[in-house]
Amino acid sequence: NAGVTQTPKFQVLKTGQSMTLQCAQDMNHEYMSWYRQDPGMGLRLIHYSVGAGITDQGEVPNGYNVSRSTTEDFPLRLLSAAPSQTSVYFCASQSGGQGPYGYTFGSGTRLTVV
Amino acid sequence: GNSVTQMEGPVTLSEEAFLTINCTYTATGYPSLFWYVQYPGEGLQLLLKATKADDKGSNKGFEATYRKETTSFHLEKGSVQVSDSAVYFCALSDRDTGRRALTFGSGTRLQVQP
Repeated sequence: NAGVTQTPKFQVLKTGQSMTLQCAQDMNHEYMSWYRQDPGMGLRLIHYSVGAGITDQGEVPNGYNVSRSTTEDFPLRLLSAAPSQTSVYFCASQSGGQGPYGYTFGSGTRLTVV
Repeated sequence: GNSVTQMEGPVTLSEEAFLTINCTYTATGYPSLFWYVQYPGEGLQLLLKATKADDKGSNKGFEATYRKETTSFHLEKGSVQVSDSAVYFCALSDRDTGRRALTFGSGTRLQVQP
């Protein structure tokens, strides 16, 4: 089925470890973004990309890196995991031709840092 | 900056009861407004949207009206079902920026009892 695919679904890391959360979409969407979801805080934007080769910071970018080498993929890298990064991470995409309401979300990655 | 404030949950209702979840916003520009729903273990799904003042978004029996004068976008449903149990997020997108980012409220958990 077409949509946004996130892997892994669950991950436990030790403090200081690095890892990459994968996000792929097969809808040829130009815009992709990463959010984190924490209890009582809704979703907060980490990084976003308006097209291949173009990325920018969102609201809470510290500790995370992104790159966008292809239209389809938008991985999120944790450089040195910290307990404060324990969260649920969502990737979303949107076609550049749509209005600001055509967001498609992945099913999320639940990350625990111990 | 932009912000969204939702009523805190959980909201617990009996089946067929009337639902209202309050949402107010502040925005620097003229935002589009959304309600998203998150079922357990899943990502966010767009429930309804409104892009200008006095617009009414509706879907699956849910409704919300864009009230610019009160900066509100309250979610209502006349008769809830057990299957409506989920977390509901109010969000806005500021069309005056190029980021296309969504600003979310903290979410309201709805529990519907048989």
